[in-house]
Amino acid sequence: GAGVSQSPSNKVTEKGKDVELRCDPISGHTALYWYRQRLGQGLEFLIYFQGNSAPDKSGLPSDRFSAERTGESVSTLTIQRTQQEDSAVYLCATALDPRSTIYFGEGSWLTVV
Amino acid sequence: AQSVTQLGSHVSVSEGALVLLRCNYSSSVPPYLFWYVQYPNQGLQLLLKYTSAATLVKGINGFEAEFKKSETSFHLTKPSAHMSDAAEYFCAVSTQGGSEKLVFGKGTKLTVNP
Repeated sequence: GAGVSQSPSNKVTEKGKDVELRCDPISGHTALYWYRQRLGQGLEFLIYFQGNSAPDKSGLPSDRFSAERTGESVSTLTIQRTQQEDSAVYLCATALDPRSTIYFGEGSWLTVV
Repeated sequence: AQSVTQLGSHVSVSEGALVLLRCNYSSSVPPYLFWYVQYPNQGLQLLLKYTSAATLVKGINGFEAEFKKSETSFHLTKPSAHMSDAAEYFCAVSTQGGSEKLVFGKGTKLTVNP
């Protein structure tokens, strides 16, 4: 597609439920990143995929968070047993390769009530 | 480890006035520095980046930033603000040439008054 596409754009969920967020990268982009932006905060790195290499998961805040990506295709970020502190905008970004400009999606707004 | 501090979470200027958004970084190795802009209801866009070439970097929409190693700063400027510049601006640092694990500041929201 023309840009990085994320869905859903908005999600309200009850505490304790699982949520899945989707990112469709720009075609041909091998690098894919997930960031989290809490209200009034900067972007926090969560996870980084590069081609078929093992992902860099060093930013995932807890074992309730996981992400998958097969090759250079869609990525999903899953949050299990959601907590109120998980409320944030989850941003996906992709790049042609790790040294190229990254392009951000519009984000998925998650609210846990 | 790298870190970024953006002074001022909100900056307000008049249309036609100078825009100055401050960014200071901390890095144990030579940094790569970026400014991103986020317009309302849109994703982040790259404004400009410093990758150890010229210290004065020109970006889109008339913005520029100067890398000052002695001051560990990378402030963003524009000589004359336009209403369309109203947005949130993020400074980011990386130790890689690209964008791996960018560390972002908390952002500065720019308001332009008529």
